[in-house]
Amino acid sequence: DQQVKQNSPSLSVQEGRISILNCDYTNSMFDYFLWYKKYPAEGPTFLISISSIKDKNEDGRFTVFLNKSAKHLSLHIVPSQPGDSAVYFCAASASGGYQKVTFGTGTKLQVIP
Amino acid sequence: GAGVSQTPSNKVTEKGKYVELRCDPISGHTALYWYRQSLGQGPEFLIYFQGTGAADDSGLPNDRFFAVRPEGSVSTLKIQRTERGDSAVYLCASSLTSGRAGNEQFFGPGTRLTVL
Repeated sequence: DQQVKQNSPSLSVQEGRISILNCDYTNSMFDYFLWYKKYPAEGPTFLISISSIKDKNEDGRFTVFLNKSAKHLSLHIVPSQPGDSAVYFCAASASGGYQKVTFGTGTKLQVIP
Repeated sequence: GAGVSQTPSNKVTEKGKYVELRCDPISGHTALYWYRQSLGQGPEFLIYFQGTGAADDSGLPNDRFFAVRPEGSVSTLKIQRTERGDSAVYLCASSLTSGRAGNEQFFGPGTRLTVL
């Protein structure tokens, strides 16, 4: 039972353009969402998060949008840079005292120079 | 400062053998997590420690898997009678606290376990 789904295993974008990575979730108890970035042979690195009380959170070139009614979130990267090429994981957690995080399967982003 | 470190980086073993995977969290982090990442999948939660105690071990797949954190710092994930299906990257993460504030999880590079 995949509670966090990333239906696009890969995405290619031209340098300077916008990258949009999508994520859907099924568990209505999730109220905190995160994006992690992973380079080969390294552990995931936290990128940005959003609480369910918000619908948008922005940090520099990275913006996460949350649509609770659709149980959908997206990560926008603009402008995309070659160094953004990595696997991006969407993750979610529910209130309950600690962050037991459920990850999606990841989207491999390639930014073409 | 030093991040989360994991040893060994790679471990090859034979089916039926016992393995131990070590995690050194960031100093001062009270929360520690173990995840398993199989090929083509995202990290899958195994167990969470708050201090020395395992607060949630609901992700451990069966009783062949066990983890300890005796002094509230270093943790060891132990796998008995390894099976080929145990082959995966085992990730460790730590965070300053377990609550929402200071809860960003910092991951180590992982241990790639291969069971032949």
